[in-house]
Amino acid sequence: GAGVSQTPSNKVTEKGKYVELRCDPISGHTALYWYRQSLGQGPEFLIYFQGTGAADDSGLPNDRFFAVRPEGSVSTLKIQRTERGDSAVYLCASSAPRLAGGTDTQYFGPGTRLTVL
Amino acid sequence: AQTVTQSQPEMSVQEAETVTLSCTYDTSESDYYLFWYKQPPSRQMILVIRQEAYKQQNATENRFSVNFQKAAKSFSLKISDSQLGDAAMYFCAYRSAYGNKLVFGAGTILRVKS
Repeated sequence: GAGVSQTPSNKVTEKGKYVELRCDPISGHTALYWYRQSLGQGPEFLIYFQGTGAADDSGLPNDRFFAVRPEGSVSTLKIQRTERGDSAVYLCASSAPRLAGGTDTQYFGPGTRLTVL
Repeated sequence: AQTVTQSQPEMSVQEAETVTLSCTYDTSESDYYLFWYKQPPSRQMILVIRQEAYKQQNATENRFSVNFQKAAKSFSLKISDSQLGDAAMYFCAYRSAYGNKLVFGAGTILRVKS
């Protein structure tokens, strides 16, 4: 089936603006993850959803960052009052838990490149 | 907290030759998973290979194999018969058996020369 998709592919915004980044996981994957990848670095964990609830949001850097997954499928990462330091590639991944017959391996989308001017 | 270290920022290999990418990690846990992901310029992170820590046998996927040394906390990736399409950034990653998030290293850029 289709892989993880993310929209938009690129987003340019001005400092102080609000942005929303969308992730469509692989159908049937109950687990969804957001990571942030700064230039020249490895991805860093932001938040993990199991179903509709955020099971671990310990990686969110501050209260300007928020994510939702209201129906247990599509997720939206929301960033308020964007800062230049928020510029990065935001990656989404999904997995099927072992209890559901999956391998819990995380499959990634192509990411959204966010540029804050 | 667990950490992953990739000490080689960049590596080069001749087409058809073999190359080994290094990865070390730090953890106090005994049960965990290790991964190598490939990230080409398209940004799509692709799983290359996965190793369960409780398995002594090294994982192999076609031309890709790992050398997993649990006591030394080392997890290197060997690419045999390198191809131009192998050129990418390679990330080593750790996941606790009791958690869900991946902890990544800084990555190694692999260049393949024809």
